[in-house]
Amino acid sequence: EVQLVESGGGPVNPGGSLRLSCAASGFSFDYYTMNWVRQAPGKGLEWVSSISVDSYYIHYAESVKGRFTISRDNAKESVWLQLNNLRVEDTAIYYCAKKRRLGYSGYDPPDWNFDVWGRGTLVTVSS
Amino acid sequence: DIQMTQSPSSLSASVGDSVTITCQASQDITNYLNWYQQIPGKAPKLLIYDASNLEAGVPSRFSGDGYGAEYSLTISSLQPEDAGTYYCQQYDTVPGIITFGPGTKVEIK
Repeated sequence: EVQLVESGGGPVNPGGSLRLSCAASGFSFDYYTMNWVRQAPGKGLEWVSSISVDSYYIHYAESVKGRFTISRDNAKESVWLQLNNLRVEDTAIYYCAKKRRLGYSGYDPPDWNFDVWGRGTLVTVSS
Repeated sequence: DIQMTQSPSSLSASVGDSVTITCQASQDITNYLNWYQQIPGKAPKLLIYDASNLEAGVPSRFSGDGYGAEYSLTISSLQPEDAGTYYCQQYDTVPGIITFGPGTKVEIK
């Protein structure tokens, strides 16, 4: 079964840090760009970050650039999101999502369709 | 930045009805438009990619159409399990230009 499982969320003070994890199974992890997408309570979806199969192409939303860092380990079939200098407005469910089309070293497909999602992990930033 | 709007923001319809949700971009997005369904408490699910392609395993009552800056999602015969919020999402081939619409909440009468 194709599956993504997030963990690492929780309460944190403004200015604090958290490291989110996403464990993948059931598909060839090392062939797919991975993403983080978040959803503030009662709000819509916001793409946060992506990392290509070989970690060469990494992108961030402007709202998190300089504060969040994405990484992956294909041997461990995992992707992480390091959240630093957290703000109240970062409070959200953070979903791990797989890009639909496969890529390979040096190539990140230009289409951004997310076909597999995890159940999410909640980050609450509050004093 | 490309802005996305959806209409209606919510709708209520009966089982068997045909419903259509529209998504308007602030500029031509050349069919780079996806549709997702989110059931309360669950992760989003990809229904339609690149404007009109049905994702594997998605019932054929879902269909997508459109071009340029205006797109639509139609559910041809609404079922009880279709209740939820539907989001459009545009992307550009320039990395990082990914925007979701505000969502349309679908309720079953």
